[in-house]
Amino acid sequence: GAGVSQTPSNKVTEKGKYVELRCDPISGHTALYWYRQSLGQGPEFLIYFQGTGAADDSGLPNDRFFAVRPEGSVSTLKIQRTERGDSAVYLCASSLLGGGGSGEQFFGPGTRLTVL
Amino acid sequence: GNSVTQMEGPVTLSEEAFLTINCTYTATGYPSLFWYVQYPGEGLQLLLKATKADDKGSNKGFEATYRKETTSFHLEKGSVQVSDSAVYFCALNLLTGANNLFFGTGTRLTVIP
Repeated sequence: GAGVSQTPSNKVTEKGKYVELRCDPISGHTALYWYRQSLGQGPEFLIYFQGTGAADDSGLPNDRFFAVRPEGSVSTLKIQRTERGDSAVYLCASSLLGGGGSGEQFFGPGTRLTVL
Repeated sequence: GNSVTQMEGPVTLSEEAFLTINCTYTATGYPSLFWYVQYPGEGLQLLLKATKADDKGSNKGFEATYRKETTSFHLEKGSVQVSDSAVYFCALNLLTGANNLFFGTGTRLTVIP
């Protein structure tokens, strides 16, 4: 079956520009997560959606980062006025409510963002 | 706070060698524990999981046992193959609030023929 998909796979932008990263979760998964993985590090939580609403955005580093999930399926992570420090791989994951009881999440391949 | 500490890499082993990657955690409550694997050029995949103390997760010859007394979830494999070369991440989920995963920094394993 189809897994989590993310587009684009790579994005190169210039400092100060705006970018959008898209995530299409597994069909039927109500929970959606964004993580950021910097080089040599593990993924770090950014934001969690349950349905259409952002239930927890405590991991967003600052107000340049914003995410939406208007219809409870596809999500878009938006970064304004990008900085070189935003360069990382942005991962999307989805799961059943509560991770199906175990907390398991299914990850997409990621979008590698490079800010020049 | 909640955190995962992993054995630092990189780890290089010969084919058929025994593998251990150490993982310890700090958590409030009773988390579920996971090992995720990232093969070259691919996304994170769940390797195995354990949801309560003394549970053993296993998959593809890998095993890890949830040890509450030592707050550990060490990954082991008796005989590694070249195809096991990847980055391995230990993670926990508190199963409360956002249910987000907390990851370790990852351990890169290279298996040479």
